[in-house]
Amino acid sequence: SQTIHQWPATLVQPVGSPLSLECTVEGTSNPNLYWYRQAAGRGLQLLFYSVGIGQISSEVPQNLSASRPQDRQFILSSKKLLLSDSGFYLCAWTGAYSYGYTFGSGTRLTVV
Amino acid sequence: TQLLEQSPQFLSIQEGENLTVYCNSSSVFSSLQWYRQEPGEGPVLLVTVVTGGEVKKLKRLTFQFGDARKDSSLHITAAQPGDTGLYLCAGAGGTSYGKLTFGQGTILTVHP
Repeated sequence: SQTIHQWPATLVQPVGSPLSLECTVEGTSNPNLYWYRQAAGRGLQLLFYSVGIGQISSEVPQNLSASRPQDRQFILSSKKLLLSDSGFYLCAWTGAYSYGYTFGSGTRLTVV
Repeated sequence: TQLLEQSPQFLSIQEGENLTVYCNSSSVFSSLQWYRQEPGEGPVLLVTVVTGGEVKKLKRLTFQFGDARKDSSLHITAAQPGDTGLYLCAGAGGTSYGKLTFGQGTILTVHP
């Protein structure tokens, strides 16, 4: 069965520090991968998506970047965090011809 | 840009009551999904509707996709405290890569 792992669950980082959030998917190959941010338990904003290794599309200009070094690994990074980067970050995957997303359990990032 | 307007934003009801959540857009979607999310967790897919006029039932939950594929509704019959959570609708715009546009969510609280 397919599973998605996202870590860490909680992170408190000072302003100006770097960030690396990791997401891995098991039990499938060539998934479409997504990073979303959710503010205050409301709607989700798409940040990045990837349809293959090394392929990254950015939806919103921001202080963040993403990489996909392996087929089932998706990384969200920042060189210098801002206070406005605080939020709940969610990784998700879907098959090329399927509709539904499977989400990871999320990372609560607080920038102080 | 495709937008999904979800209403109401907040819903507080007593156990046993019925409720309806609406999701509206001026854009046509190729499919529409409903998710439920609990605090600190990722959203979980409830249903996907793909055909205009389609109605799907999941126990006490009834989902409907509008004939023009621009709107959807979620109806819960005899709500229970276990239904409490954030309900999100999300539309796929028919493009590749499976990108979804999310509504802002409805926070449902069912009191015993």
